[in-house]
Amino acid sequence: EDQVTQSPEALRLQEGESSSLNCSYTVSGLRGLFWYRQDPGKGPEFLFTLYSAGEEKEKERLKATLTKKESFLHITAPKPEDSATYLCAVQASSNTGKLIFGQGTTLQVKP
Amino acid sequence: GAGVSQSPSNKVTEKGKDVELRCDPISGHTALYWYRQSLGQGLEFLIYFQGNSAPDKSGLPSDRFSAERTGGSVSTLTIQRTQQEDSAVYLCASSPSGGSGGYTFGSGTRLTVV
Repeated sequence: EDQVTQSPEALRLQEGESSSLNCSYTVSGLRGLFWYRQDPGKGPEFLFTLYSAGEEKEKERLKATLTKKESFLHITAPKPEDSATYLCAVQASSNTGKLIFGQGTTLQVKP
Repeated sequence: GAGVSQSPSNKVTEKGKDVELRCDPISGHTALYWYRQSLGQGLEFLIYFQGNSAPDKSGLPSDRFSAERTGGSVSTLTIQRTQQEDSAVYLCASSPSGGSGGYTFGSGTRLTVV
């Protein structure tokens, strides 16, 4: 069964304190791995797509990496506005369109 | 429109009533998805429409749930005989074509069944 597990569930950081969020997955043939950001009361906002092990993508203070079993979202020198829930999702090669989401990691960055 | 529009943003209904949730996707997006997000839970796939193809209904939790997409654009998710466990945020998303995970989500409809 395709499955996505994110850790930790919650993370508190001081402004400027770098850290990483983990997304472990099992899928019958990975078509893509996706990271989204979700703010309270809003729908998820697309951040990155990764397709193959070794691939990396960057956007401002965020960097996503991918291995055959997991993905990391590295946050460098975070700011309070980075506070949000970060969602990881996978798309199996056998399922066109459908994404399997993890439970998310809620990040709080304190000034 | 500029984004995915969902209405209503909030809906409170009595147990046993039927509800309709509406999604207006980004113009030109051929793929449309419905997900459900319960408190403390991840997003749960419900249904996927791609162009004129038969929809993937594999995520609908029971036959009380149905969805349609008219004219390849607006979609309506209908829940009949609502139950308290149906309380959740229902999210709609669209993408330019099927197979792409770079969805654009709407802000969702928060459904509360009392």
